[in-house]
Amino acid sequence: DTEVTQTPKHLVMGMTNKKSLKCEQHMGHRAMYWYKQKAKKPPELMFVYSYEKLSINESVPSRFSPECPNSSLLNLHLHALQPEDSALYLCASSHSGLIYSTDTQYFGPGTRLTVL
Amino acid sequence: AQSVTQLGSHVSVSEGALVLLRCNYSSSVPPYLFWYVQYPNQGLQLLLKYTTGATLVKGINGFEAEFKKSETSFHLTKPSAHMSDAAEYFCAVSGNSGNTPLVFGKGTRLSVIA
Repeated sequence: DTEVTQTPKHLVMGMTNKKSLKCEQHMGHRAMYWYKQKAKKPPELMFVYSYEKLSINESVPSRFSPECPNSSLLNLHLHALQPEDSALYLCASSHSGLIYSTDTQYFGPGTRLTVL
Repeated sequence: AQSVTQLGSHVSVSEGALVLLRCNYSSSVPPYLFWYVQYPNQGLQLLLKYTTGATLVKGINGFEAEFKKSETSFHLTKPSAHMSDAAEYFCAVSGNSGNTPLVFGKGTRLSVIA
């Protein structure tokens, strides 16, 4: 099973809402990632968890709050977002907890977020 | 710091024609190189990757890429394009400590004309 699942598939929220994105993998991978992707652009790294600890935070605004409850699950909590935060949010995972390695990153299908 | 340049934001080929997507990299250490494909409204899928060893790498769906150190290139090819190959293609290089783990190029959109 080489699948990363993400829920929900689509999300529409107002600027005052609080919502969460969920990512799950059952491949025993020890690194998990959140990316943001705008239309016609490459993915931009937001956060990296290695062995369930936050290893990289790419200067993401505090209205995005990641959480890694266990080695299979990654959440992204959203609060007071802006319309410019509308994008495809991708989750990925890789085998070892060594972030700088040859490991392939396996991507989920993404959550399409629209902020009104 | 590692970086990737993809030449051509959009490439259009006829069905059955050769596909060539260009990627040049910059790296201060031996690079690990990747090609990912993204179909509309989907996540990224690994096509192939180069780490060490054989410089001609074969991937899924008939794609292959050749690592040329002297040219700092890792171009992606496929002998005969299918309509189903229409997608966005990203070349990426692995980062080093202090950099992001995977540095993506800006992407090349491949269109296949019947």
